[in-house]
Amino acid sequence: AQKVTQAQTEISVVEKEDVTLDCVYETRDTTYYLFWYKQPPSGELVFLIRRNSFDEQNEISGRYSWNFQKSTSSFNFTITASQVVDSAVYFCALSESGGSEKLVFGKGTKLTVNP
Amino acid sequence: DAGVIQSPRHEVTEMGQEVTLRCKPISGHDYLFWYRQTMMRGLELLIYFNNNVPIDDSGMPEDRFSAKMPNASFSTLKIQPSEPRDSAVYFCASSPGLAGIAKNIQYFGAGTRLSVL
Repeated sequence: AQKVTQAQTEISVVEKEDVTLDCVYETRDTTYYLFWYKQPPSGELVFLIRRNSFDEQNEISGRYSWNFQKSTSSFNFTITASQVVDSAVYFCALSESGGSEKLVFGKGTKLTVNP
Repeated sequence: DAGVIQSPRHEVTEMGQEVTLRCKPISGHDYLFWYRQTMMRGLELLIYFNNNVPIDDSGMPEDRFSAKMPNASFSTLKIQPSEPRDSAVYFCASSPGLAGIAKNIQYFGAGTRLSVL
């Protein structure tokens, strides 16, 4: 069965610090997709990134970067030079192949960036 | 596109009343999902549709919950009768499906915060 674990429940940093959010997943499929979503205090869920299981290249988007390692079943998310606006709950999610389209979410990590 | 639109944004009702939540997916998306978010259980998938047909409703908690998708641009989630433990944020999401650049990506509405007193 598929499972996503975000062991960090809450993280608090000071502005400009770098912070890494951990995500570990379990799946029996060889083809799957990994996602990160952001839920700011306003409540909506915002898509950040999707990765498929065949693409282990790290990705960078501005201050955001993602490290995908199949060997450790991890898909970690790093925010460089954090800002107060990064304060949110971040969810990692997994979708297996086979056309089911179902997303399984981790419990989320609440990030607080203090000025 | 306006994104996924949910209504109402907030709903307060009394135990035993019927509650109907509404969702308009992004035009052209083939998949529609209903989720529930609570502090205790996190984000749970309740049901999802493909081309208006329910595919998996194994997450629907009990018979008091029902969902319909009469056409490609509208879906409802109904709770009858409602109970205090149904209090949660309910999200609707849509996805373009398995093809194209946005394959498998689910886009969420702003959610409906339901309080059952």
